Amino acid sequence: EADIYQTPRYLVIGTGKKITLECSQTMGHDKMYWYQQDPGMELHLIHYSYGVNSTEKGDLSSESTVSRIRTEHFPLTLESARPSHTSQYLCASSEWGQGSYNEQFFGPGTRLTVL
Amino acid sequence: ILNVEQSPQSLHVQEGDSTNFTCSFPSSNFYALHWYRWETAKSPEALFVMTLNGDEKKKGRISATLNTKEGYSYLYIKGSQPEDSATYLCAPLQGAQKLVFGQGTRLTINP
Repeated sequence: EADIYQTPRYLVIGTGKKITLECSQTMGHDKMYWYQQDPGMELHLIHYSYGVNSTEKGDLSSESTVSRIRTEHFPLTLESARPSHTSQYLCASSEWGQGSYNEQFFGPGTRLTVL
Repeated sequence: ILNVEQSPQSLHVQEGDSTNFTCSFPSSNFYALHWYRWETAKSPEALFVMTLNGDEKKKGRISATLNTKEGYSYLYIKGSQPEDSATYLCAPLQGAQKLVFGQGTRLTINP
């Protein structure tokens, strides 16, 4: 069973609030990812990290930011939440190694609703 | 961004029946293809990671095949059970580092 955690699982918040979605993994994986999914749509990569102090923007433009100060922790922050940020956010981690081909382990997700 | 298509988007199958669905992806610059199962209220979990043309993987009643030259993969479920109800996602590996997910096939098994 994968050891990757996300908090909160559900968040309902008003417009303009600053929020941080937490993601932690205990597997020692170097690579971590944030995906965004709207209902019925694909998972879209919004941020990824290849290790401490490494962060990159993904294929889908996002107003959120991320940081990677510790290997196990990859939080996502929205400085000013808007209704358009309403979505599900999934965190994942992986370890590139022989035969793994970047197999990813996912957290349970955070379902964010901005009113 | 790769264009990944999964069909059908939704599927209802009677318990005990077998079923299959498709993932299509660009065949150029291929590294690997991942299949994930995502049950409601749970995290997506990897089913298979496939790399070789003609590869076939099997896990219990679920199997998958891969054609890298024409850019498609099939997922088969034999003798469907209610616990197979989930969304099945395929994701080719882009540039050897990033996965690009399809919309998924939502499978519902009717008892």
